Amino acid sequence: GAVVSQHPSWVICKSGTSVKIECRSLDFQATTMFWYRQFPKQSLMLMATSNEGSKATYEQGVEKDKFLINHASLTLSTLTVTSAHPEDSSFYICSARRVSAGELFFGEGSRLTVL
Amino acid sequence: DAKTTQPTSMDCAEGRAANLPCNHSTISGNEYVYWYRQIHSQGPQYIIHGLKNNETNEMASLIITEDRKSSTLILPHATLRDTAVYYCIAVNTGTASKLTFGTGTRLQVTL
Repeated sequence: GAVVSQHPSWVICKSGTSVKIECRSLDFQATTMFWYRQFPKQSLMLMATSNEGSKATYEQGVEKDKFLINHASLTLSTLTVTSAHPEDSSFYICSARRVSAGELFFGEGSRLTVL
Repeated sequence: DAKTTQPTSMDCAEGRAANLPCNHSTISGNEYVYWYRQIHSQGPQYIIHGLKNNETNEMASLIITEDRKSSTLILPHATLRDTAVYYCIAVNTGTASKLTFGTGTRLQVTL
């Protein structure tokens, strides 16, 4: 079964509104989670690293005020797309690493459509 | 992390073995080779990883050359459900495990 879960799996919103996406590690604690964005027919692009109890680290070109990340607990990170616009429409994916194992697990992804 | 190079696409007949190559000529001694796949509109799925020895699990086998400059992912009996984009990534798991995805190989399994 899934060990990293995202919610919602899809969301449609109006331009100018904010949307929150949750990423949960289901049976392990994750001090670090990662947020990716994927446009159609393109590869995943890392947006930011979410650190529990501290500020997120953003990749170059990603606006931290636009994409707010909160990692308030060891099992939950949230990504809020603020004042969403149609160009923010994308597939957002989170990942987390289980410390006891070598692999990094990914969530099912959240598809955002901004009208 | 070392750059990896993969063919853009491959075809494989159902029931046959799918052999997906990956070049990582600049890989360093402490970097692992990870393989993930992404089926359309889903999050990436972990397949296998290795450092220098060949590895096998219930999904696939990973063959790493002795000089570690390339590797091959083998799906022994491909099915239609194996149609996906396969990503080969070199990563130092001693770091925070952020993965840099390339363009991957689009594997199409056909009847």
